[in-house]
Amino acid sequence: GNSVTQMEGPVTLSEEAFLTINCTYTATGYPSLFWYVQYPGEGLQLLLKATKADDKGSNKGFEATYRKETTSFHLEKGSVQVSDSAVYFCALSPRGSYIPTFGRGTSLIVHP
Amino acid sequence: EAGVTQFPSHSVIEKGQTVTLRCDPISGHDNLYWYRRVMGKEIKFLLHFVKESKQDESGMPNNRFLAERTGGTYSTLKVQPAELEDSGVYFCASRHTSGSYNEQFFGPGTRLTVL
Repeated sequence: GNSVTQMEGPVTLSEEAFLTINCTYTATGYPSLFWYVQYPGEGLQLLLKATKADDKGSNKGFEATYRKETTSFHLEKGSVQVSDSAVYFCALSPRGSYIPTFGRGTSLIVHP
Repeated sequence: EAGVTQFPSHSVIEKGQTVTLRCDPISGHDNLYWYRRVMGKEIKFLLHFVKESKQDESGMPNNRFLAERTGGTYSTLKVQPAELEDSGVYFCASRHTSGSYNEQFFGPGTRLTVL
């Protein structure tokens, strides 16, 4: 079956540090890949997505590249801000499905 | 335009009691989904409504859970009787039906604690 594995948190960084949150997946076929973010007190929001191999999703300074050879979709940001503190979820959806399979989430804490 | 709203934001009940969670989707969204996240684990799909019909309820854990969407607007998820393992955060999401990929919009969740 489909599954998503992401690094455990919390990840604690100082402002302006470089961020990487690792995500690997197991799926048949060619799923679409997503990163969702949940800010405190809010619902999950779609942060970025990629629908085919070598696609790069980007939004708000965050990037992730769909790597089929390593079945990975690592999230990166060059310089984090305190406002980036949130829980980040990696997810995949098989082709034709709107229902994501989520990872466990990684809490990011950014200190001033 | 209002987003997906859920009520209550928190609920603390004792084992054996009944709890009803409510979700109001974005107006005009025919698709409504329920998910659950048990502490520290993955967010798991529970079920999917298209208007008032259950399209997929393969994720519902057992018959103590009953979801309804009368009239195709808001939805309720009732847990009766609640057990300790039902504790977690219950998310609702809605999506408009259109031709190309379209995003699910999530609510803030209801945190359920069963003591």
